[in-house]
Amino acid sequence: GQNIDQPTEMTATEGAIVQINCTYQTSGFNGLFWYQQHAGEAPTFLSYNVLDGLEEKGRFSSFLSRSKGYSYLLLKELQMKDSASYLCASMDSNYQLIWGAGTKLIIKP
Amino acid sequence: DVKVTQSSRYLVKRTGEKVFLECVQDMDHENMFWYRQDPGLGLRLIYFSYDVKMKEKGDIPEGYSVSREKKERFSLILESASTNQTSMYLCASSMQVSGANVLTFGAGSRLTVL
Repeated sequence: GQNIDQPTEMTATEGAIVQINCTYQTSGFNGLFWYQQHAGEAPTFLSYNVLDGLEEKGRFSSFLSRSKGYSYLLLKELQMKDSASYLCASMDSNYQLIWGAGTKLIIKP
Repeated sequence: DVKVTQSSRYLVKRTGEKVFLECVQDMDHENMFWYRQDPGLGLRLIYFSYDVKMKEKGDIPEGYSVSREKKERFSLILESASTNQTSMYLCASSMQVSGANVLTFGAGSRLTVL
């Protein structure tokens, strides 16, 4: 079957670093997406990985290991505005997205 | 910026009522999608469309239908609303960004069925 797992909730401190993990099992693989969703708002695109390795975009980085079926989103220099849910989604062989339930990230001062 | 607009942010309907959820995008995207989002679950695809008058069932199409008469507009229809259709409904359109099909979502329509 197809499955995406990510932690339900994480807490971190302003200014610190946090890593949100995602493991996936999909029929075929055509890339891994991360989206950010603030409470009551639309999800917005953060990153896309299709090759192994780390992609850096400012304070946010995303990592992929295809052989392990594993990705993480790394957030550095955390700010209060980073409090949100982070959604992991894997694209299967039919180019359909399989979504995780999301990780709610709480940032404390 | 791409904008996806959902006509209603909050709706309250009674069991058995017909419900229309409208979605409009302004960037000429070919692909449009309807998802529902429920606590503790990942987004679930209801229907999608790759072109005008074209529709494909997603993972949970039962109890729903869609209409795409114009490229910019994708409507979700609940013919006879039921309480288990109480949910947040998200519309999205997509474009290719560096080889990835990136979704742009609307702000969502929160439907309560009593």
